[in-house]
Amino acid sequence: AQSVTQLDSQVPVFEEAPVELRCNYSSSVSVYLFWYVQYPNQGLQLLLKYLSGSTLVKSINGFEAEFNKSQTSFHLRKPSVHISDTAEYFCAVSDRDTGGFKTIFGAGTRLFVKA
Amino acid sequence: DADVTQTPRNRITKTGKRIMLECSQTKGHDRMYWYRQDPGLGLRLIYYSFDVKDINKGEISDGYSVSRQAQAKFSLSLESAIPNQTALYFCATSAGARGLDEQFFGPGTRLTVL
Repeated sequence: AQSVTQLDSQVPVFEEAPVELRCNYSSSVSVYLFWYVQYPNQGLQLLLKYLSGSTLVKSINGFEAEFNKSQTSFHLRKPSVHISDTAEYFCAVSDRDTGGFKTIFGAGTRLFVKA
Repeated sequence: DADVTQTPRNRITKTGKRIMLECSQTKGHDRMYWYRQDPGLGLRLIYYSFDVKDINKGEISDGYSVSRQAQAKFSLSLESAIPNQTALYFCATSAGARGLDEQFFGPGTRLTVL
């Protein structure tokens, strides 16, 4: 059975500092990995995804994540955060089940960027 | 206009009451989902539907039922609400035939059961 572990429930960081949000997964089959972001009082929206090919994927707003199969990880990084990056970030994994694909979400990491 | 809408946005109800949460989408997606979000637990899947005639239970379906009235509409019902169903509920859609596509989420319904 698949599962997702986000190792930090909260990450406070100062503006312009680098940040890493950690995500580990477990699955017995090929996986597809996602990071979603939830801004206050909004639904989730896709930040980036890994389906195949290059293990380093990037978002339009400077985030990147690297799929590491041997460590079963998909950590999210940004070299310099902004106040506007304050949000909750969810790692998610999909693999095949008997009826098709479904997505399992981690518990979330709340990123708080301080001035 | 939003692609995925949920009504109501907020609801306070009492134990034992029946309540329905509604979701509509204009994205033309076949797949729709209902999740609940609880602090520290992330999102947990309640039900999902791959098309109008295909409805499946998720990991926490007990106490809930759903209806897929049309491709664009997917409703979640609590037949007899209880306090531990107090949560933020999200509807989502996706297009992918193999579920690899991203999910598009509604704004959520905050439900409080007293």
